[in-house]
Amino acid sequence: QQQVKQSPQSLIVQKGGISIINCAYENTAFDYFPWYQQFPGKGPALLIAIRPDVSEKKEGRFTISFNKSAKQFSLHIMDSQPGDSATYFCAAVSKVGAQKLVFGQGTRLTINP
Amino acid sequence: DAGVTQSPTHLIKTRGQQVTLRCSPKSGHDTVSWYQQALGQGPQFIFQYYEEEERQRGNFPDRFSGHQFPNYSSELNVNALLLGDSALYLCASSWGVGYSNQPQHFGDGTRLSIL
Repeated sequence: QQQVKQSPQSLIVQKGGISIINCAYENTAFDYFPWYQQFPGKGPALLIAIRPDVSEKKEGRFTISFNKSAKQFSLHIMDSQPGDSATYFCAAVSKVGAQKLVFGQGTRLTINP
Repeated sequence: DAGVTQSPTHLIKTRGQQVTLRCSPKSGHDTVSWYQQALGQGPQFIFQYYEEEERQRGNFPDRFSGHQFPNYSSELNVNALLLGDSALYLCASSWGVGYSNQPQHFGDGTRLSIL
């Protein structure tokens, strides 16, 4: 019940296209859902985050869509660029206890020029 | 404004040895969490420190221990190293505890290789 399941494992998108990464969870105590971007040799960098009382949040080319009833959320990258090529992780934090991030397995995104 | 800094960046040890990794949190942050990231996997929570105490622990053996200092910096100690401990060790800092929506900021990690 502590898991966050992420798909796909890898994704190839053409430059200018839309990249979509999906995550699902079971634990209803999760109430904060951040996305992290990680480049090789670097630590994860916080990209965008959402609370379950909001169905969508947009920051620039990045949008999170959240479906509370289905316990699913997704990241959309509009007008994908080669510089977006990285590994993306969804995560969840429970409202109970410490600020423990539970990560998905990651999606390796490649944007072809 | 310095972000989260970790040292060393790389470390090579042999089985059975002990290692200490260090972390300085982002300015203004008082909470430090440690994560282990195996190759091709998402980070796994090891433990969190706040007010110099371990607040929560993940599913890691007692060989993994930590400490937080009065200036909020932290150390991760691993004893009796195993080959399976080879990973990227990440430190994340945030402000306060009990607030799930406090952003956690990561350092670039320490790459630990066990021979």
